[in-house]
Formats: sequence, C-alpha cells, structure tokens
Amino acid sequence: GQQLNQSPQSMFIQEGEDVSMNCTSSSIFNTWLWYKQDPGEGPVLLIALYKAGELTSNGRLTAQFGITRKDSFLNISASIPSDVGIYFCAGQDSGGSNYKLTFGKGTLLTVNP
Amino acid sequence: DSGVTQTPKHLITATGQRVTLRCSPRSGDLSVYWYQQSLDQGLQFLIQYYNGEERAKGNILERFSAQQFPDLHSELNLSSLELGDSALYFCASSVATANTEAFFGQGTRLTVV
Repeated sequence: GQQLNQSPQSMFIQEGEDVSMNCTSSSIFNTWLWYKQDPGEGPVLLIALYKAGELTSNGRLTAQFGITRKDSFLNISASIPSDVGIYFCAGQDSGGSNYKLTFGKGTLLTVNP
Repeated sequence: DSGVTQTPKHLITATGQRVTLRCSPRSGDLSVYWYQQSLDQGLQFLIQYYNGEERAKGNILERFSAQQFPDLHSELNLSSLELGDSALYFCASSVATANTEAFFGQGTRLTVV
C-alpha cells in the first residue's frame, strides 16, 4: 500500500526561528494536505495543495506540492509558542473515487519561548 | 469548529465489551471516514462510507464494523474489545469529489481496561 515518510519526527526550536518539514511518498497523490493537531484535539486543516508545483501560503505557513507529485513540504516562518503541536502531511488518492487520505506519522514541533 | 461532531468524547469500558461511536458529518458532506490514532501507529485509516455505501476499507479489524445512515451520520461499532484497542478514534467528512479537503471531528478517546 501507499506509504508516506514524514521528516523530521520531532523538532525543538527557539521562538522566531523558521521551520521546515517534508513528506515523501512511494506513489503519486493528486492532493496534498497539511494538518496540525493539538493534544486531545482532532487534526485541523492548514493548507491544501491541488496541482503539482503549486506553492500556497496561509499566513506564516507555506507549502508546496512537489513536481513529481510524490512529495510536499511545509515551512513555518517566525515561529511562535502557539505553533507547538504535531503536524501531519496527508496525500489524497482519487483512484477508485474513494478519496481516502494516507497520513504521515507526524512531526512534533516544540517552540521554546 | 470543523462542523464534524463526534460523541462521546471519552469512553471507558472493559475488555470483551462492545461500544458504538457516533459521527455527524459537516452539512453537505456525503462521505465519512474513520481513523484510529494510537501513539505508535499514527493515524490509521479504517473505513470510508459515501452516501450510505461502503467505499473503501483500510486496516479495520473484523471485530470492528461501521455504517452510514440515510441522514448521513455514521457509527463505528467496536466489539470484543481488547486492551490494544485503546486509542483515539476520529471521524472526518468531505464532499468526496476530487480535490476536496477532509475535516476532522474532535475524536473519541476510548480506554479499554
């Protein structure tokens, strides 16, 4: 089945620093999504990417859909303490029209004030 | 608020028992997805329903089953519970056409004792 490799597994940074995380896939996805999950909460959608090469921003967040359609990255600029959480990438497969999401294992971000 | 409602938020039950988790999707969303999240396995896709019919199956145990009702709410039934079934169970919903996002509920935390 499809597998997503998300890295790094965890990051410890100082407030104000920029952060970058990425996901690579063994197969092609038609859509890439980035979610953030706070403890005890459900994942919240941050950014959705629909076209290969697409670069999309949402405030201090920027994400790109890789040209090969097998990878994506998420950048967070000027991190703040509330950026703490687990960030997940997800690829959406439209094969067979089920549109299920395959998730990476997440990147745990800790921001030191 | 994602618009996806899950109940109950917490559930504690004994091994061997059966529980039912409920999900109401966002208004207008026809598709419901169930995910299991445990510490060591990340977010694992269990099953998807679209407009009342099963559309895709993931790593769902035979002891687990789900259904989607005419009003589009969905229930996930977990039976013969084992300690290892303790996890967060998330429901997500989407319009389920190509290039659409999935939105998650806040989850049900199941503890099997």
